[in-house]
Amino acid sequence: AQTVTQSQPEMSVQEAETVTLSCTYDTSESDYYLFWYKQPPSRQMILVIRQEAYKQQNATENRFSVNFQKAAKSFSLKISDSQLGDAAMYFCAYGTGTASKLTFGTGTRLQVTL
Amino acid sequence: DSGVTQTPKHLITATGQRVTLRCSPRSGDLSVYWYQQSLDQGLQFLIQYYNGEERAKGNILERFSAQQFPDLHSELNLSSLELGDSALYFCASSVGGFEDTQYFGPGTRLTVL
Repeated sequence: AQTVTQSQPEMSVQEAETVTLSCTYDTSESDYYLFWYKQPPSRQMILVIRQEAYKQQNATENRFSVNFQKAAKSFSLKISDSQLGDAAMYFCAYGTGTASKLTFGTGTRLQVTL
Repeated sequence: DSGVTQTPKHLITATGQRVTLRCSPRSGDLSVYWYQQSLDQGLQFLIQYYNGEERAKGNILERFSAQQFPDLHSELNLSSLELGDSALYFCASSVGGFEDTQYFGPGTRLTVL
């Protein structure tokens, strides 16, 4: 069974600084997709970034980028120039064709301080 | 705004009751997914429908059922409710298969008293 592990329950970053959230996953599949979702206090699940496993290039969306290490089964999220609005719960998720669902990690709560 | 709508936003009911949660996917999306987010279980996949047909089943209790209608909206029915069913229920939609990004609705907060 696929599992997703987020080993950092909480992280804190100062405004304008950079922070990296960790995620590892376990799979025997070769074709899969990885996602980071953000859940602010409103509880809405918002897509942050997506990575296709077949792509070697790391995905980037404005201030958000990933470090995808396929052999190590690692998928970390880097947030640059952190803003107060980045404060939220961040979930790493894995999706594959053998099970249409997304498997989520337990989340990392990110605090942004002044 | 993801384009996925869910009603109601909040639902408070008693044990033993039955409720129906409704979801309308984004325009053009054929797949609907239901997830449950609780404090002790995290985000758990319940069930997926694709163009009216059940495609995948997860940790969905027998007391729970779902369907997707011809207009592609979906309903999740929860019956014989227990205190432990209190959770945030999300609907997500995607164009079709697993390779497509799932976009989440705002969720329905269910409280069972």
